[in-house]
Amino acid sequence: GENVEQHPSTLSVQEGDSAVIKCTYSDSASNYFPWYKQELGKRPQLIIDIRSNVGEKKDQRIAVTLNKTAKHFSLHITETQPEDSAVYFCAAGGDSWGKLQFGAGTQVVVTP
Amino acid sequence: EAQVTQNPRYLITVTGKKLTVTCSQNMNHEYMSWYRQDPGLGLRQIYYSMNVEVTDKGDVPEGYKVSRKEKRNFPLILESPSPNQTSLYFCASSLGGNTDTQYFGPGTRLTVL
Repeated sequence: GENVEQHPSTLSVQEGDSAVIKCTYSDSASNYFPWYKQELGKRPQLIIDIRSNVGEKKDQRIAVTLNKTAKHFSLHITETQPEDSAVYFCAAGGDSWGKLQFGAGTQVVVTP
Repeated sequence: EAQVTQNPRYLITVTGKKLTVTCSQNMNHEYMSWYRQDPGLGLRQIYYSMNVEVTDKGDVPEGYKVSRKEKRNFPLILESPSPNQTSLYFCASSLGGNTDTQYFGPGTRLTVL
């Protein structure tokens, strides 16, 4: 089955700096890679996703890159702001069994 | 308002006392799933359902049951809860299965004593 590893587990950045979170997956059949943001005490919410036919996708200050050959994908947050502080989860899906596999999460802390 | 609802939001129970956590969505989504969230382990899928009467195991199904008799509802049943099932549980639904946006419910905090 699919296995998703996410690094780092915690990330502290100064406001205005960039943050990068990396995930690797094991199943070459996976073709959908979403990122979810979970603020303290709230439910996870999708912030960006990428499919295997695309190498990079951007939405304002966030971007995701995908390297299918190496089976890894990354979330990039530029010009970080205090409201970016949250737990971020990567996930991989799209195999024939209908599962969605999440990484263990990255706690991002943006300090003013 | 499009939403996923869960009840109860908080529950403290004792070992062995059967309980059900309800999940309902009003978006006509075919795909629904249950996750548990534990510190350091992320979100782990318990069960998922591709459609009415179609359910399948996720990564951590032991000790749980589900049913999907109607499209909108996907209850999670713990027949004999144990302390290791103390966790934060999320229900989610999506229109396009595991390759589409998952809409999460507000979560249910379960404590089994």
